[in-house]
Amino acid sequence: EPEVTQTPSHQVTQMGQEVILRCVPISNHLYFYWYRQILGQKVEFLVSFYNNEISEKSEIFDDQFSVERPDGSNFTLKIRSTKLEDSAMYFCASLDREGPLHFGNGTRLTVT
Amino acid sequence: AQSVTQLGSHVSVSEGALVLLRCNYSSSVPPYLFWYVQYPNQGLQLLLKYTSAATLVKGINGFEAEFKKSETSFHLTKPSAHMSDAAEYFCAVSRIQGAQKLVFGQGTRLTINP
Repeated sequence: EPEVTQTPSHQVTQMGQEVILRCVPISNHLYFYWYRQILGQKVEFLVSFYNNEISEKSEIFDDQFSVERPDGSNFTLKIRSTKLEDSAMYFCASLDREGPLHFGNGTRLTVT
Repeated sequence: AQSVTQLGSHVSVSEGALVLLRCNYSSSVPPYLFWYVQYPNQGLQLLLKYTSAATLVKGINGFEAEFKKSETSFHLTKPSAHMSDAAEYFCAVSRIQGAQKLVFGQGTRLTINP
């Protein structure tokens, strides 16, 4: 069965550094998402992306965050200047038209 | 706005016993409801979904959930727990079936005792 793949599985970075989290959604899917889960808290919606533009974003997704689909397969989340509170598990997800959402295994980001 | 409340952050049952994980939702429009499971070091996997068809929804691994509008609930059940059911379970709601922005509950960690 096709899967959403995320790399790396664990990323450690220093505060203030830029980090890029990578995702390869399922190939025929049209909608792409990033969610995050701070340890011990809810899974939170960050952003949705469709037709090469952001379709919706949450309050969390401020100017420090950006997303890009640089080619036909990758979907990336960039954090420009990481903060300690950005430490979380970041999940990429995709769907075709009517769901369900397919999630990747996540990237654990640790900001020190 | 939509929200989900899962009652009980930890639930522990014996192997073979009934599993009941509670989920209550709040939504100003007819909701679409989902249960996801997360095994250790893995992503979120869909167990089942309610999309306004049958109110009793059957999912994978023997799980089912019943949509009760009057109680604004979508509790997850399984008649007989198996050791492999140990995981984190998330209830989620969305406004529309497609292009889903999911709002998640805080999760319930299910432990199975031998």
